[in-house]
Amino acid sequence: DVKVTQSSRYLVKRTGEKVFLECVQDMDHENMFWYRQDPGLGLRLIYFSYDVKMKEKGDIPEGYSVSREKKERFSLILESASTNQTSMYLCASSLDRGTSTKNIQYFGAGTRLSVL
Amino acid sequence: AQSVSQHNHHVILSEAASLELGCNYSYGGTVNLFWYVQYPGQHLQLLLKYFSGDPLVKGIKGFEAEFIKSKFSFNLRKPSVQWSDTAEYFCAVNARGTGGFKTIFGAGTRLFVKA
Repeated sequence: DVKVTQSSRYLVKRTGEKVFLECVQDMDHENMFWYRQDPGLGLRLIYFSYDVKMKEKGDIPEGYSVSREKKERFSLILESASTNQTSMYLCASSLDRGTSTKNIQYFGAGTRLSVL
Repeated sequence: AQSVSQHNHHVILSEAASLELGCNYSYGGTVNLFWYVQYPGQHLQLLLKYFSGDPLVKGIKGFEAEFIKSKFSFNLRKPSVQWSDTAEYFCAVNARGTGGFKTIFGAGTRLFVKA
């Protein structure tokens, strides 16, 4: 089974802090994604990466950055956390982006971040 | 722009009732369609998928979905729900956009099944 592991289930940070959310997948997937999940808004894509050191902005990248130095690890960085970034953050990975079974996404358990 | 609409944000049913959750998308080309489910306290996981072939697809736990191309719809159904189906359900569409293939999720439908 594919396993996507997010380093923390719950985080509490203060406004202005730099926050790192880590995600690791163990199935050699090419693609990795960061979403935030908010009630009534579903999943919104923040950033994704289709290869090591490659990154693409999603729909809501403002206030976030990412890092992918190794294939299995994709980090989300909040340079200066703000209260409106309080949310559930989901990491996902998929084998390929093409029109095949490879583009099924596998999700981590999520990190619930509270910014005070 | 591509979008995915889920018609109901909250659904409350009694056990044994039939379920239908609506999903419509806006994209004219080839699409892959998914329903994901998130049970309380668990990961988001794939419920079923459509890539090609028979437009009626069956997933886990007795769920099925029908792709109706002319209506741009992929509704999720289950003839008789159980208390354990209480979860949040997300419809998703993978399609080619300007930056390559992209998966877009609907806003989700929270289903509560009363025992």
